[in-house]
Amino acid sequence: EAQVTQNPRYLITVTGKKLTVTCSQNMNHEYMSWYRQDPGLGLRQIYYSMNVEVTDKGDVPEGYKVSRKEKRNFPLILESPSPNQTSLYFCASSLLGRGGAGAYGYTFGSGTRLTVV
Amino acid sequence: SQQGEEDPQALSIQEGENATMNCSYKTSINNLQWYRQNSGRGLVHLILIRSNEREKHSGRLRVTLDTSKKSSSLLITASRAADTASYFCATAARTAGNKLTFGGGTRVLVKP
Repeated sequence: EAQVTQNPRYLITVTGKKLTVTCSQNMNHEYMSWYRQDPGLGLRQIYYSMNVEVTDKGDVPEGYKVSRKEKRNFPLILESPSPNQTSLYFCASSLLGRGGAGAYGYTFGSGTRLTVV
Repeated sequence: SQQGEEDPQALSIQEGENATMNCSYKTSINNLQWYRQNSGRGLVHLILIRSNEREKHSGRLRVTLDTSKKSSSLLITASRAADTASYFCATAARTAGNKLTFGGGTRVLVKP
């Protein structure tokens, strides 16, 4: 089944303790992206990647890191989490069309609900 | 920043009725997409309409696009309780390298 798999689904952690949220897709998509979703603020893009070893900042990259060493994986790293990073996180992937990443629909993972205390 | 803004923010209807929601945006787009999100779950792609298209259908969904007014509408006909979800429009803007930008969503409640 074509899908984007995120782990974990739920995570409670303490301020400052480094964590990684994994994302993997099995559709050979070039484009991958991380979003956070907060009430009243909608979905905001954190980082994206157009292909292996190519990453770039989205709208809210502060406090996050990503890497794209393999095409299928795009982990999100919080090196020193803070309470304002408590949120619902989504990974998404897409083919890259002639018009860029938005030329086709995105496939989303099921989400990771992160609480930083 | 939110490119697409949905209206209304929330909608409550009876099963069998039609649900209509609108999306307005600000800049030129290559396409506009609609997604559904069940509570706390991932977004599911519903339909994509390109800037040179005016109307598109998929099952009980009908999407229109008016590029002169920079607006789109999503119509769900003969709604079912299972259609209860949040619906988001997302625009792929030429000026943003075709990156998808999501609106704030419309929460739809379909009462049995």
